[in-house]
Amino acid sequence: QKEVEQNSGPLSVPEGAIASLNCTYSDRVSQSFFWYRQYSGKSPELIMSIYSNGDKEDGRFTAQLNKASQYVSLLIRDSQPSDSATYLCAVSKGYNTDKLIFGTGTRLQVFP
Amino acid sequence: DVKVTQSSRYLVKRTGEKVFLECVQDMDHENMFWYRQDPGLGLRLIYFSYDVKMKEKGDIPEGYSVSREKKERFSLILESASTNQTSMYLCASRAGSQPQHFGDGTRLSIL
Repeated sequence: QKEVEQNSGPLSVPEGAIASLNCTYSDRVSQSFFWYRQYSGKSPELIMSIYSNGDKEDGRFTAQLNKASQYVSLLIRDSQPSDSATYLCAVSKGYNTDKLIFGTGTRLQVFP
Repeated sequence: DVKVTQSSRYLVKRTGEKVFLECVQDMDHENMFWYRQDPGLGLRLIYFSYDVKMKEKGDIPEGYSVSREKKERFSLILESASTNQTSMYLCASRAGSQPQHFGDGTRLSIL
């Protein structure tokens, strides 16, 4: 079992729809959770961070964390073609918040 | 805004060469990281540093070393480059427990 798992996609959604990206992780004591967006040929860019159970909203983005079920998700409302990218889930390794384990990413395609 | 600068966007080297990848951040961050990113494998941590002259191995340190003589600069060294080190290399930095911010990356090809 991979430490951080994401569906590779592509996830295709029409413009204006809600895109839902999911991530599961194996380490029960992980403390910090991040979503990064990566455009093709570019470096990852931080979208959201979340540290406690529940929802965290920032503009069109909502991160959801459920530590009991060991999953974290990212919702993108009113999806735009410019949201088309690979979304990386990153989870801290155990109690060590220095180290992050990255998923291999989900490719999102938003079509007009 | 956090600015993490990697010295080269593209680099081509030959097998056996000693290769230096440089990373500079301008935010006085304590922690700096080197990753490589390969298709299907995601980002993997090579080394990180939590202070000047301090370093710690990541998940795949073999064939690499690092240097941090000044707080703002973190160098990754390929002691004797091999073709399996062809990859995208990403540097990141962060302050304390804040999220990591990445540089633009260096696409390294070893021929």
